[in-house]
Amino acid sequence: DTEVTQTPKHLVMGMTNKKSLKCEQHMGHRAMYWYKQKAKKPPELMFVYSYEKLSINESVPSRFSPECPNSSLLNLHLHALQPEDSALYLCASSHVPGQGPVKETQYFGPGTRLLVL
Amino acid sequence: AQTVTQSQPEMSVQEAETVTLSCTYDTSENNYYLFWYKQPPSRQMILVIRQEAYKQQNATENRFSVNFQKAAKSFSLKISDSQLGDTAMYFCAFMRGSGGSNYKLTFGKGTLLTVNP
Repeated sequence: DTEVTQTPKHLVMGMTNKKSLKCEQHMGHRAMYWYKQKAKKPPELMFVYSYEKLSINESVPSRFSPECPNSSLLNLHLHALQPEDSALYLCASSHVPGQGPVKETQYFGPGTRLLVL
Repeated sequence: AQTVTQSQPEMSVQEAETVTLSCTYDTSENNYYLFWYKQPPSRQMILVIRQEAYKQQNATENRFSVNFQKAAKSFSLKISDSQLGDTAMYFCAFMRGSGGSNYKLTFGKGTLLTVNP
């Protein structure tokens, strides 16, 4: 099973709102990722968690706050977003590096389409 | 730093025909992996095929195959017997090989493939 699930599928929020995106996987992966994708562009890496600890933060503004409560769940807390933050937010997971290309392959969820008004 | 170039922003092909998508990359690494991901309109990004740089044999997955030319740093994707469901954005991606914090996928800008009936 190579399924990564994300909720909600769509989200509309005002610039003063607080919301959260959720991601879940049950593949035993210990690396989880958040990406931002604008229309017709490749995904841009935001954060990486490895063994539930933040491993990479690609200089993302603090209005995005990631959280990894356990090995299966990944959250992205949103606060005071700007209209330019409207995008598709993708979650992905993989085994941690060092185990070869098959296990290090990243599997993506369907994404949350976010609109900030 | 690695770069991935997809020189064809858009392509089209007739159903049942064969099409080749181009990808070149630049790296000083000797151990790395290459991937093709497919993202249908408003749908999930899925792995199409992967290739280990140390393997001379080109990877194949059913109707999908690659032409991996390591010296030329070229990694093209051939789709045989194109189907309407192959309509999607195709991303070529690079990942450093095992060892170190190689969580990062470097994506090309993508090629939008349309399969016409």
